[in-house]
Formats: sequence, C-alpha cells, structure tokens
Amino acid sequence: GIQVEQSPPDLILQEGANSTLRCNFSDSVNNLQWFHQNPWGQLINLFYIPSGTKQNGRLSATTVATERYSLLYISSSQTTDSGVYFCAVISNDYKLSFGAGTTVTVRA
Amino acid sequence: GAGVSQSPRYKVAKRGQDVALRCDPISGHVSLFWYQQALGQGPEFLTYFQNEAQLDKSGLPSDRFFAERPEGSVSTLKIQRTQQEDSAVYLCASSLARRLEAFFGQGTRLTVV
Repeated sequence: GIQVEQSPPDLILQEGANSTLRCNFSDSVNNLQWFHQNPWGQLINLFYIPSGTKQNGRLSATTVATERYSLLYISSSQTTDSGVYFCAVISNDYKLSFGAGTTVTVRA
Repeated sequence: GAGVSQSPRYKVAKRGQDVALRCDPISGHVSLFWYQQALGQGPEFLTYFQNEAQLDKSGLPSDRFFAERPEGSVSTLKIQRTQQEDSAVYLCASSLARRLEAFFGQGTRLTVV
C-alpha cells in the first residue's frame, strides 16, 4: 500500500513563530487531507487538498501531486495550535492512509 | 446532524465482555468508515460501507470484530469477547462518496481491563 511519511515528528514553537510541516507519499493520490487532532482526540478537518494551494486564516497548505508531497504552513502560531497534525491520503482505492503525525507544542 | 456523532465517548470493558460502539454519520453521506487508533499512532482502516453494503472488511483484526449498517445510516461496530489488545480509540468517518472529503466523529475510547 501507499506509504505516508510526515516530518518532523515533533516541533516545539514559541508563540508567534511560523512553521512548515511536510508530508511525503509514495504513489499518486486522489485525495489528500490535513487534520488537527485536538487534546480530546477529535480529528478536525483543516484542508482537503489533492493538489494546489489553499489558505484558511493563519493556515495554508500546498500539494504538489507530481512530486508527491504536501506542506502545511502555520503562521503566527498560538497555543491553541498545539496538538498532533496528520496528513492522510487516498491512492487507488478509498481508504485513508495516515502518516504517523507531527506533534506540535506551542509555548507562550 | 451537523457532524459525525459517536457513542459512547468512553467505554471500560472487562476482558471477555462484548461491546457495541455506535456511529451516526452526517445525513446524506453514502460512505462510512471505521478506523482504529492506537496510542501515539495514526488511525488504521478497519472497514468500509457504501450505504448498507459492507464492501471492505479487510482491516478488521479478527473474527471477534463485526460491523453493520443495516439501513444505510447509523452503523455499529461490535467487538465480542474483548481482549486487552483491543484497547484503542475507535473512529468513525463519513463522506458524500468514496474518495471525497471525510469527516470524523469524536471517537470512542475503549479500555479493556
């Protein structure tokens, strides 16, 4: 099956800093989603972005499907941005395959 | 409803007990998925429904796991004779159609003691 690698595994930020999370995948994809898992365990949808660039407030994402990677940008980070960020892809079937996640800690 | 709803949020079961986890998907969503998330890992696929048809159950870890969606809406994941290794968060997701954006419920945290 498709392999999904996220980097870095852990990220510690000072409040107000910017950061980039990366997701590499091993095959072509039909769907790519970024999620934020909050402390209560719920997966919050951030972006549905199989290709191109999207922005939502302080967050933006870019997927370059031909080069098999996606980037999630967090600008002016806040303590509420803390949590685990997951990239998940669908290749030639219908199952979301998740990366191992990036744990982000934003310090005040 | 507005989002995917799962119940119970937490379940503690004694080893050997049967449990049933409920998922109420977003209204009109044809596709429904169950995932299992172990501590510190990403969710792993368990099973997929299109309407009431279970099209893929390849991720179910053993024959103690059973899922159904009899009327193409609410789904139940049942685990018989629970074992300690079944302890995990069970997540339900739904989407308008397969391969489209999936939305997840809050999950059920199962602890088997």
